[in-house]
Amino acid sequence: DIQMTQSPSTLSASVGDRVTITCRASQNIYDWLAWYQQKPGKAPNLLIYKASTLESGVPSRFSGSGSGTEFTLTISSLQPDDFATYYCQQYNSYSWTFGQGTKVEIK
Amino acid sequence: EVHLMESGGGLVQPGGSRRLSCVASGFIFNDYEMNWVRQAPGKGLEWVSNISRSGISTHSADSVRGRFIISRDNAKNSLFLQMNNLRDEDTAIYYCARGGRCTSDGCHSAAFFQHWGQGTVVTVSS
Repeated sequence: DIQMTQSPSTLSASVGDRVTITCRASQNIYDWLAWYQQKPGKAPNLLIYKASTLESGVPSRFSGSGSGTEFTLTISSLQPDDFATYYCQQYNSYSWTFGQGTKVEIK
Repeated sequence: EVHLMESGGGLVQPGGSRRLSCVASGFIFNDYEMNWVRQAPGKGLEWVSNISRSGISTHSADSVRGRFIISRDNAKNSLFLQMNNLRDEDTAIYYCARGGRCTSDGCHSAAFFQHWGQGTVVTVSS
């Protein structure tokens, strides 16, 4: 299986900060990568697919980049609603796998 | 509006069985692949199983292969997960998740999880 490793595991930031989360794949996944946001007690919500395509309705402060084995999710100006856990997911090949998650906390 | 509603969770003894259901609305059900994704208490997300639009093709994670069976009834807009020989480590919230829109080239490009249900909790314990 393809292993997905996110860094950092926890991130402390303030409202207005630019935040970057990294996701690394154990092998080439081209651009078959999605990002999700999950808040406590809620189902995950799709933010980005195909590494950089913003899902409809997702604020433009979220962006994704990368290809091959290294990817980033950037929040250009952190908002109060953005404090949550973020997951990457590869869908290049079965078994589809997620990163372990990055929790964005209030500094 | 897309809506996915899971049911069937509960307390099960180790070695027991449980059948989860998911009823879909707000989209043409047989146009989309469907999935089950789970989340153990305090842990991350784990993809469990996928089923093709027709229901003919399925894939499952190694951790459940041979024990869990995914199926669908397109006439009833429903997705199922038959879970057998349950183990303690199967304790989790189980989410029903819809894939993205397939293209004329197939569904590989849509193998992310665009819509999720609210989840149903399965607890395996004696």
